[in-house]
Amino acid sequence: GAVVSQHPSWVICKSGTSVKIECRSLDFQATTMFWYRQFPKQSLMLMATSNEGSKATYEQGVEKDKFLINHASLTLSTLTVTSAHPEDSSFYICSVGRGNTEAFFGQGTRLTVV
Amino acid sequence: QKEVEQNSGPLSVPEGAIASLNCTYSDRGSQSFFWYRQYSGKSPELIMSIYSNGDKEDGRFTAQLNKASQYVSLLIRDSQPSDSATYLCAVKGYGGSQGNLIFGKGTKLSVKP
Repeated sequence: GAVVSQHPSWVICKSGTSVKIECRSLDFQATTMFWYRQFPKQSLMLMATSNEGSKATYEQGVEKDKFLINHASLTLSTLTVTSAHPEDSSFYICSVGRGNTEAFFGQGTRLTVV
Repeated sequence: QKEVEQNSGPLSVPEGAIASLNCTYSDRGSQSFFWYRQYSGKSPELIMSIYSNGDKEDGRFTAQLNKASQYVSLLIRDSQPSDSATYLCAVKGYGGSQGNLIFGKGTKLSVKP
C-alpha cells in the first residue's frame, strides 16, 4: 500500500492563531489527496479533496476560507486551519488512494485549540 | 443521502471467540467495500477489502458481502485482546475517486482476556 506521512502528530494552539498540517505521500505520486476530520466517538468525515496544481474541492458545510488547502506538488498537501477556535479541536487525517481502491491514511494530527 | 450503518457497540467477546461485525449500506450502486481498524487516538488501517459477493478470507479475518441484501460483515476468529479497537466499514460507489468513500460510525470491539 501507499505510505503516507502526516505532521505534526499533535498540536496545541491558542484561539485565533493558525495551524498548518502537512501530508506527504512517500512512495506514490498523488494527484489527489483527501482531508478528513474526526470528532470524538464520531466517524471520519471528508472535508475536502486536494488536487495537485488546482483548487481543492470542499464538502458541503466546510468553510474553504477557514480550512486552506495547498497541493503544490505530487507528494505534498497542506491543510491550514486559520483563526482556530476551540470547536475546531479535532483529529485531522489525510489520505491517499490508488485509483478506485482503498484509502491509505496518514498518522493523523490531534489539534487542540485553547 | 448515501449512508453506511454499523452497530456502535461496544461488542464484547471473550478471548478465542469469534467476533462478528456487521454493516449495511444504502447505495445499491456501491462497488467496493472495506473494513478498517482504528485504535484509540490513531488513524485507521485497512484490514480487508471485498468487491464481489461471497466470502474473502485473510488469516483470522473473513469479509462477507451480500449485495442483494446490501450487507457486508467482518468475522474475526480466535479473537485476541489486541483486536480490541473500533472497526470502520467503508463503502465506495461506482467509479469516481476516493471522495465517494463513505464511512460508518464504527463498532467498538472489546476482547476480554
